[in-house]
Amino acid sequence: SQTIHQWPATLVQPVGSPLSLECTVEGTSNPNLYWYRQAAGRGLQLLFYSVGIGQISSEVPQNLSASRPQDRQFILSSKKLLLSDSGFYLCAWSASDNYGYTFGSGTRLTVV
Amino acid sequence: AQSVTQPDIHITVSEGASLELRCNYSYGATPYLFWYVQSPGQGLQLLLKYFSGDTLVQGIKGFEAEFKRSQSSFNLRKPSVHWSDAAEYFCAVGAFPGGYQKVTFGTGTKLQVIP
Repeated sequence: SQTIHQWPATLVQPVGSPLSLECTVEGTSNPNLYWYRQAAGRGLQLLFYSVGIGQISSEVPQNLSASRPQDRQFILSSKKLLLSDSGFYLCAWSASDNYGYTFGSGTRLTVV
Repeated sequence: AQSVTQPDIHITVSEGASLELRCNYSYGATPYLFWYVQSPGQGLQLLLKYFSGDTLVQGIKGFEAEFKRSQSSFNLRKPSVHWSDAAEYFCAVGAFPGGYQKVTFGTGTKLQVIP
């Protein structure tokens, strides 16, 4: 069966520090991968999606970037964190022939 | 552009009572509709989805939802709520512009269950 792993679960980082969140999917090939950010009372905002290795699309301009170095690995990064980057980050995957996302358990990022 | 409105930010129901969570969507074509549930500090879990066919869809955990095109609604229902149903519920509408699924989520409804 397919599983999705996301880590770390919680992260507290100072302003101006770098960020790297990792997401991996097991049990499937060539998944579509997504990064969402969830802010209180504002639902989920799609940040990036990827349909293949090295293929990254950004939905909103921001201080973050994403990379997909391997088929089932998706990384969210920042060179210098801002206070406004705080939030709950969710990775998700979908198959091309099955509709609906499967989400990871999320990372709570607090920038101080 | 697709959008989803969940008019109720917070709902409180008694355990054993029935539940209906409202969802209205905006989408130019036949919508792909979803309901997800999120427990505190966790990711989202897919409850059910609708693409076509029977407008009443059954999901996990005893939930169902009814698609009403004339009302642009996709309300979630459960006949008898259990304390473990306390969570946040998200309605979502999906589009498939090519190569990936673009899913837009509502802002969520927090469900509180009282004994």
